[in-house]
Amino acid sequence: EVQLVESGGGLVNPGGSLRLSCAASGFTFSSHTMNWVRQAPGKGLEWVSSIGASGLHIFYADSVRGRFTMSRDNAKNSVYLQINSLRAEDTAIYYCTRDQPFSSFDYWGQGTLVTVSS
Amino acid sequence: DIQLTQSPSFLSASVGDRVTITCRASQGISSHLAWYQQKPGQAPKVLIYSAFSLQSGVPSRFSGSGSGTEFILTISSLQPEDSATYYCQQLNSYPLSFGGGTKVEIK
Repeated sequence: EVQLVESGGGLVNPGGSLRLSCAASGFTFSSHTMNWVRQAPGKGLEWVSSIGASGLHIFYADSVRGRFTMSRDNAKNSVYLQINSLRAEDTAIYYCTRDQPFSSFDYWGQGTLVTVSS
Repeated sequence: DIQLTQSPSFLSASVGDRVTITCRASQGISSHLAWYQQKPGQAPKVLIYSAFSLQSGVPSRFSGSGSGTEFILTISSLQPEDSATYYCQQLNSYPLSFGGGTKVEIK
């Protein structure tokens, strides 16, 4: 059974940092592009970042480029999102997803909530 | 960047009604489009991938059509459990993007 479990969310002051993690199981992790998607309270879905299977190719939304860094460890079946210089508008549930190329995000984690507030 | 425009943003329909949601892309995306359903407090779930392929386990009353710039999600006979928000997503090119969502209410 495919499982994606996010962790690392919490309450952080503006300008602060967090590192989100996503532990994957139930599939050949090193064969899949992985993604982060976020959803602000009461709002729609926003794609944040994608990382290719080898970790060499990484893409970011303009809204987070330069502040967020996505990485992966295929030995640990995990992806990470380092989020720096946090702003109030980064408050959201952050979902980890598995990619089917050109097709869909076929599995989603339960999400981890990041709240940016003083 | 590719923008996706969903319409309507809200619809209210009765059980048994045929419902259609449209997603228009700002440029051609071939068939690289997915549809998701999200219920309150839950993660999104894929319904349709590659524009018209039904995800395993999804009821056959859901169907997708279209290619290029115009896509349609159809629910052939609306059921109470279909009350949710629906999103389209393009996977043709980065940056990936989602439509703004369509909230479906059961009358």
